[in-house]
Amino acid sequence: GIQVEQSPPDLILQEGANSTLRCNFSDSVNNLQWFHQNPWGQLINLFYIPSGTKQNGRLSATTVATERYSLLYISSSQTTDSGVYFCAVTLSGGYNKLIFGAGTRLAVHP
Amino acid sequence: DTEVTQTPKHLVMGMTNKKSLKCEQHMGHRAMYWYKQKAKKPPELMFVYSYEKLSINESVPSRFSPECPNSSLLNLHLHALQPEDSALYLCASSPRGTSQGTYEQYFGPGTRLTVT
Repeated sequence: GIQVEQSPPDLILQEGANSTLRCNFSDSVNNLQWFHQNPWGQLINLFYIPSGTKQNGRLSATTVATERYSLLYISSSQTTDSGVYFCAVTLSGGYNKLIFGAGTRLAVHP
Repeated sequence: DTEVTQTPKHLVMGMTNKKSLKCEQHMGHRAMYWYKQKAKKPPELMFVYSYEKLSINESVPSRFSPECPNSSLLNLHLHALQPEDSALYLCASSPRGTSQGTYEQYFGPGTRLTVT
């Protein structure tokens, strides 16, 4: 089956720093989503980005489908950015099943 | 409004109990999902409903029984669970049925289940 690998697994930042999270996938995908899971467990949709670049405030994402990777950029990080960031992909004919990477655990310190 | 609601937020049950988890969405979405998430792991798909019909059962034990009474509501009935079933149970929905392509999924806040 498809492999979804995220790096780094853990990241510690000082408030105000920038970071880049990476998601590699081993096969062609129909769609890709980035989520932030807060400490209470809520999965928050960040981006729905099968290809191209999108920006939302301090966050932006780029997916290069032909090279099978996606990047999530966090600029001017805040303590509220702490949590786990997941990328998840869906396959063609896969009943819209989301296949998650293992996540990047981010801690932002004041 | 992209809200999916789940009740209860927390549930503690014994191994002989029967309980149910509830998920609702009022966005007119036609596909609904149950995921299970163990601590420090990513969510894993359990069931998919498309137009109120079960599309996928990811080989889930029969002690978990899903039900989709209408297009807005998804239940997960629990019976004779084991301690290893303790996890965060997440519900999600997406706009179209699963035979109509792939679409963004929206998640509820989850039910944190503890089996004693």
